[in-house]
Amino acid sequence: EVQLVESGGGLVQPGRSLRLSCAASGFTFDDYAMHWVRQAPGKGLEWVSGISWNSGSIGYADSVKGRFTISRDNAKNSLYLQMNSLRAEDTALYYCAKDDEGGAAGLMDYWGQGTLVTVSS
Amino acid sequence: DIQMTQSPSSLSASVGDRVTITCQASQDISNYLNWYQQKPGKAPKLLIYDASNLETGVPSRFSGSGSGTDFTFTISSLQPEDIATYYCQQYDNFRLTFGGGTKVEIK
Repeated sequence: EVQLVESGGGLVQPGRSLRLSCAASGFTFDDYAMHWVRQAPGKGLEWVSGISWNSGSIGYADSVKGRFTISRDNAKNSLYLQMNSLRAEDTALYYCAKDDEGGAAGLMDYWGQGTLVTVSS
Repeated sequence: DIQMTQSPSSLSASVGDRVTITCQASQDISNYLNWYQQKPGKAPKLLIYDASNLETGVPSRFSGSGSGTDFTFTISSLQPEDIATYYCQQYDNFRLTFGGGTKVEIK
């Protein structure tokens, strides 16, 4: 059974940093691309970032480019999102999602339950 | 970036009704279009991929069609458990965008 478990969310002040993690199990992690998708309270879904199986292809939404960094550790079956210079508008539930391919795709077939990030002073 | 315009933003229909949601892309995306269902307090769930392919285990009352810039998602006979928000999503070489969502309620 595919499982994706996010962690690392919490309350953080504007301008500070936070690192999210996603622990994957139930599939061969290094065969698939992975994504982060967020949802602000009461709002729709926003894709944040994606990374290919070997980290060779990476993409970011314009809203986070230059502030967020996605990475993965295939030996640990883990996905990460380093979030710097956080803003109030980054407040959201952050989902980790598995792609159905290894390359630069975008079909997310499994999702975690999310970790909440709140940016506030 | 490719923009996805989804309509309507909400709808109310009776059990057994046919429900249709549309999604328009700002440029040609071929068939790189997926549909997700999100129930309250839950993570999104993939229903339709590549515009018209039903994900394994998804009931056949759900369907999708279209290519290029215009896409349609249909529930052939609305059931109480279909109460959710539905999102379209395009993918173009790690530049993904979602539509604004359609909240489906029972009349």
